[in-house]
Amino acid sequence: GAVVSQHPSWVICKSGTSVKIECRSLDFQATTMFWYRQFPKQSLMLMATSNEGSKATYEQGVEKDKFLINHASLTLSTLTVTSAHPEDSSFYICSARDLRTAQETQYFGPGTRLLVL
Amino acid sequence: AQTVTQSQPEMSVQEAETVTLSCTYDTSESDYYLFWYKQPPSRQMILVIRQEAYKQQNATENRFSVNFQKAAKSFSLKISDSQLGDAAMYFCAYRSAINSNSGYALNFGKGTSLLVTP
Repeated sequence: GAVVSQHPSWVICKSGTSVKIECRSLDFQATTMFWYRQFPKQSLMLMATSNEGSKATYEQGVEKDKFLINHASLTLSTLTVTSAHPEDSSFYICSARDLRTAQETQYFGPGTRLLVL
Repeated sequence: AQTVTQSQPEMSVQEAETVTLSCTYDTSESDYYLFWYKQPPSRQMILVIRQEAYKQQNATENRFSVNFQKAAKSFSLKISDSQLGDAAMYFCAYRSAINSNSGYALNFGKGTSLLVTP
């Protein structure tokens, strides 16, 4: 299967700082990537759809100015949590669409644990 | 918006036995895709099985199979010969075949925690 990486795998930061999380498709090109957020023992909630070369589409209730998404290349999308606060502490997961086969599949990154102190 | 419901927060099965996880969904679309993902303690999401709505035949992947009932909007996962490594959270997910504002994002249920006992 295809491989999606995320960096960093975990990060601890002070309140008010910004944190950038990278999502890379390692062996395929992904015109579309997705960013999800998962709180402990809960499901994945879609935050935004990241489209290469265009603006991201945010889900209702997600602040686009707080969660900046950039999809500058076909293999990289970044999520920047600006002015992070403790309530932003969560597990962030990206996924990427692999269109190489007729059975299009989404592959997930390993996730990034963010703790804001 | 489509909703995915997993009514079993937790399930338990003995090793080598069979267990069925339930999933229902609500949609007005006729063409879509359904998935089961496994999330072990590492939290890496792993695709277990997928089903295209236009296919009547139930998908199977080794010990994993689904019972897809389109009219009832039901999509259960059967795990046969359960192994200790099957212990994980299992999420049912829906994906539209139509490109919406969310693209082809997955819509997840709340998950079922599966415990496998020796």
